[in-house]
Parts: sequence; structure tokens; C-alpha cells
Amino acid sequence: AQTVTQSQPEMSVQEAETVTLSCTYDTSESDYYLFWYKQPPSRQMILVIRQEAYKQQNATENRFSVNFQKAAKSFSLKISDSQLGDAAMYFCAYRSGKGNSGGSNYKLTFGKGTLLTVNP
Amino acid sequence: DGGITQSPKYLFRKEGQNVTLSCEQNLNHDAMYWYRQDPGQGLRLIYYSQIVNDFQKGDIAEGYSVSREKKESFPLTVTSAQKNPTAFYLCASSIGTGGAYGYTFGSGTRLTVV
Repeated sequence: AQTVTQSQPEMSVQEAETVTLSCTYDTSESDYYLFWYKQPPSRQMILVIRQEAYKQQNATENRFSVNFQKAAKSFSLKISDSQLGDAAMYFCAYRSGKGNSGGSNYKLTFGKGTLLTVNP
Repeated sequence: DGGITQSPKYLFRKEGQNVTLSCEQNLNHDAMYWYRQDPGQGLRLIYYSQIVNDFQKGDIAEGYSVSREKKESFPLTVTSAQKNPTAFYLCASSIGTGGAYGYTFGSGTRLTVV
């Protein structure tokens, strides 16, 4: 079974600075999807960024970018120009790329999360 | 606006009672999911459904039951067999049956045993 590990339970960053959240995963597959979700105090889960494993180019969404290292099974999230509204719990998630053939292949497996604090 | 509605936001259950958490989506998504969130545990999958009238157990299905009679609805019942039901419950849905584009989540239900 795939596992997702977020080794930093908590991180903090100064407003306007850059922070990187770590995520590693364990899989024997070559085709899969990776995600970062944000959960602010409202507890609404929000998709931040998505990466397809067969794409070598790192995904970016405005101030959010990833460093995807397939061989190392690493998928870190970089937040640039941090804002107070970025304060949240961040979850890394993995989804098998085995298609829609049924079973639990397509479920998302989540890490335990990293709580990000942004200091003014 | 399209989205997922979970109700109620807060729910209190007495020992030995069954309670049902509601999840409705108007996104026309095929697949729906229930996750449980505990402090320090991340999200764990309870049940999922790819199509109407079909659903599968996730990693922690014991003490829970679901139904999928309509595409839009995927209610979760927490039975008295669930020994530690106090948690935050999240419902989600995804385009198609695969979730390759990620999930859309509801705003959650906080269940507390009193």
C-alpha cells in the first residue's frame, strides 16, 4: 500500500518570505498523481496544486510551486511571498495512476499534515 | 454555485445511538467519498462510491454504513458499533470515477459523543 509522509508537523514563516513543506511517498508504481491540499481554520479542504508523475515539469499555481523528484519520491511545496491567509494545515496526497478499473486504486492517500503559521 | 453540502455542521450523539451525516453534491460528479479526520492522523477513507447503488469499504469502514440511491447523495451512518466516533467527517466528490483531478470537499461535520 502506498504511504505518504510529511515529516514536519509544524512550520512557521514570516510574512512575505518563502517556505517549503516536505512530502515523501512510497510506491512501486511509475504512473500516479500527487496533490497538495490546504485546510484553513474553516476546515474546508482546498486543492492547491496537482502534479502528474509522467510530467517532468514542476507544477506551479501563482505563488505555489512544487519540487517533484520522482526518483527520490519527494514532492515538496514551496510558498513564495507568504501571506497571512496562507496559514493553514497542508496535506500532501497520492493517487494511483492505474486508471478507473475499480477497486481502491483511485482513492487519495493523505499524509498527516503540516501546520503552517505565518507571522506578521 | 456548484458544490458539496454537508449537514449538520455539528452533531452530538449519545452512547448507543446511530446518527446519519448528510452529503449532497450538485457538481454532477460520479464518485463520492467519506473521510474521517482525527488530530495528528490526517484523513482516512471510510467508504467510497463510484456509481449509484454501488459502494466499497475504505480503510476504516467498521462501525459505519452508507447508501448511494441517488447520484447527488451519499449519506453516512455512524452506528453504535463504532467505538470511537468523535471526529471530523469530510465528504468529497470527484469528476468521473477516478479522482485523478483531485477531490472537491464539503465543509465537514464535527461529531461528538456525549
